[in-house]
Amino acid sequence: QKEVEQNSGPLSVPEGAIASLNCTYSDRVSQSFFWYRQYSGKSPELIMSIYSNGDKEDGRFTAQLNKASQYVSLLIRDSQPSDSATYLCAVRANNAGNMLTFGGGTRLMVKP
Amino acid sequence: GAGVSQSPRYKVAKRGQDVALRCDPISGHVSLFWYQQALGQGPEFLTYFQNEAQLDKSGLPSDRFFAERPEGSVSTLKIQRTQQEDSAVYLCASSLLGIGNEQFFGPGTRLTVL
Repeated sequence: QKEVEQNSGPLSVPEGAIASLNCTYSDRVSQSFFWYRQYSGKSPELIMSIYSNGDKEDGRFTAQLNKASQYVSLLIRDSQPSDSATYLCAVRANNAGNMLTFGGGTRLMVKP
Repeated sequence: GAGVSQSPRYKVAKRGQDVALRCDPISGHVSLFWYQQALGQGPEFLTYFQNEAQLDKSGLPSDRFFAERPEGSVSTLKIQRTQQEDSAVYLCASSLLGIGNEQFFGPGTRLTVL
C-alpha cells in the first residue's frame, strides 16, 4: 500500500462545476499537507497548504483535512478549462525530516 | 531570480555517461530538496540539504547518485554511469527552515538515457 493514495482519474467535470479531489494517507504522524498543481510538461506549483483539521479557503480553492480519517481533499469551485491539470497531494510527517511524500496525482479535465 | 532555477532543462546521455544537474534555490532558502519524477507518477524524494549539510540521502536509489551543496546555496546532483532506468525528470525544491514551510519547485531537468 502506498503511503499517499490518490485516484489517478481522469476526473472530468463541466466548466463551472465543483471539482472534488481526494487523498488518503497512511502515516498517522503526518502533520503538514499540501496540494500542488502540475500542468503537462511543467513542474509542480503549490496551490494550498493545510496543517489543522477543518477547511481552509483561498479563492476558488478549499482544502479540507480530517486527521482522524486520514484524508485530505481539495475542492475547486467554478472550475475553468485552465484548471485542467494533474493535482498532486503531498504529506510531510514531523519525524521524517522535511521530505514530502507525494501521491500519484489525479488528472482533472474541465470541459467547456 | 525570484524562483528556483535548474540547468540544463533537458539532457540526453548515452548509457554509461556521467551527468551533472544543477539547482539554484530561492535566495535565503536554507532547505534544498531533490526529487525524481517518472512519467505519470508523483515526485519521489531523493535527498535533502540544510545549508551545506546533507541531512537525508535515504531516497538516492544507488551509489551512482551523489549530491552536494558545498557553500549552502547552489546544489549539484551527479549521476555516474547512467542507466536507462535513470530517465526521469529531476526536480529541485527549496524552502525556508521550519516544519511547516512550503517547498517551491524549479522547472526540472528532463534526463533521457539512451
